[in-house]
Amino acid sequence: DAKTTQPTSMDCAEGRAANLPCNHSTISGNEYVYWYRQIHSQGPQYIIHGLKNNETNEMASLIITEDRKSSTLILPHATLRDTAVYYCIVEETSGSRLTFGEGTQLTVNP
Amino acid sequence: NAGVMQNPRHLVRRRGQEARLRCSPMKGHSHVYWYRQLPEEGLKFMVYLQKENIIDESGMPKERFSAEFPKEGPSILRIQQVVRGDSAAYFCASSPGTRSYEQYFGPGTRLTVT
Repeated sequence: DAKTTQPTSMDCAEGRAANLPCNHSTISGNEYVYWYRQIHSQGPQYIIHGLKNNETNEMASLIITEDRKSSTLILPHATLRDTAVYYCIVEETSGSRLTFGEGTQLTVNP
Repeated sequence: NAGVMQNPRHLVRRRGQEARLRCSPMKGHSHVYWYRQLPEEGLKFMVYLQKENIIDESGMPKERFSAEFPKEGPSILRIQQVVRGDSAAYFCASSPGTRSYEQYFGPGTRLTVT
């Protein structure tokens, strides 16, 4: 059963920030929020993860609300190569399997 | 450091044949996961293995499918007596071990059953 809800699709202009929302209202205290993406049938690629604090790395930023019931993945300057399906996943760590939902198809337009 | 390697990248089998998919995890990784992506569907977990042990096979079909990760060599996903419904992309991922947050995925094996 999916633990997350994401919009089916989103569009973004090249060079602008892409903000991808995710609802996970039933998240438990020991579950992390993970983001992966899959570019055109390639293997999924890890982007970022967080527990309750906001996180940033070279790819993206992750903003988690204080009640942890939702989060937003931010790609600060989207490029055409960021066009992909983005998956928000909630799982415990320690070798857990990943449960992929439908994800959001992000299309970056020139 | 080479990434996760899968071979073959494309595999064609006739109904009733066996398919063997191989996965070499990243160097130093002792945990392997297999996922399947049916056409126009999402990724589904199949099995989680550590060296010589199956940790979680709750996503594996009950019949015809098996997986192993021997002490030496790659992990193998084996599908016996393939049927058309087995046509899919099979992805392998690896991680360093417990308390690891990221899984690193290979490029996948596209299985086509004719």
